[in-house]
Amino acid sequence: GENVEQHPSTLSVQEGDSAVIKCTYSDSASNYFPWYKQELGKGPQLIIDIRSNVGEKKDQRIAVTLNKTAKHFSLHITETQPEDSAVYFCAASSTGGGNKLTFGTGTQLKVEL
Amino acid sequence: NAGVTQTPKFQVLKTGQSMTLQCAQDMNHEYMSWYRQDPGMGLRLIHYSVGAGITDQGEVPNGYNVSRSTTEDFPLRLLSAAPSQTSVYFCASSPSFTNTEAFFGQGTRLTVV
Repeated sequence: GENVEQHPSTLSVQEGDSAVIKCTYSDSASNYFPWYKQELGKGPQLIIDIRSNVGEKKDQRIAVTLNKTAKHFSLHITETQPEDSAVYFCAASSTGGGNKLTFGTGTQLKVEL
Repeated sequence: NAGVTQTPKFQVLKTGQSMTLQCAQDMNHEYMSWYRQDPGMGLRLIHYSVGAGITDQGEVPNGYNVSRSTTEDFPLRLLSAAPSQTSVYFCASSPSFTNTEAFFGQGTRLTVV
């Protein structure tokens, strides 16, 4: 089955700096790669996703890049703010949608003032 | 919009007891799934359903039962709780099996003593 590895497990940045979280996947059939943000005591919430026919996608301060050849994808957050502090999960699916997701182990992002 | 509603939010069980975690969605989504979240392991898929009357196993199905008699509800049953089932459980739904994002509930924190 699919295996998704995520790094780093914790990341601390100063407000205004950029943050990068990286994931690798093992199943070449995976074609959908969402990123979720989870705040304390809440369920994961989708922040951005990318499909295998696209190399990069951007939404305001958040961007995701995908390298199918190397089987890795990354989340980039620019101009970080304290409210960006949360746990971020990458995931992969071979169904083309947010179903039967295989998740990474999460990154605790802390944005310091 | 209620979205995906899980009940209860917290539960303590004794080893060997049974219980049902409830999940309901009011978005008329076809696809529903259950994940468990353990520290350092991300979210892992337990069971999923592609529509009323259809269920299938995910990555970690042992010890859990599901049924899908209506589009709205997807309960998760623990027949004989074990300490290894101590976890946070999330229910998710999406409009279809492909090409759509997954929406997560707020979670149920279960402790088995």
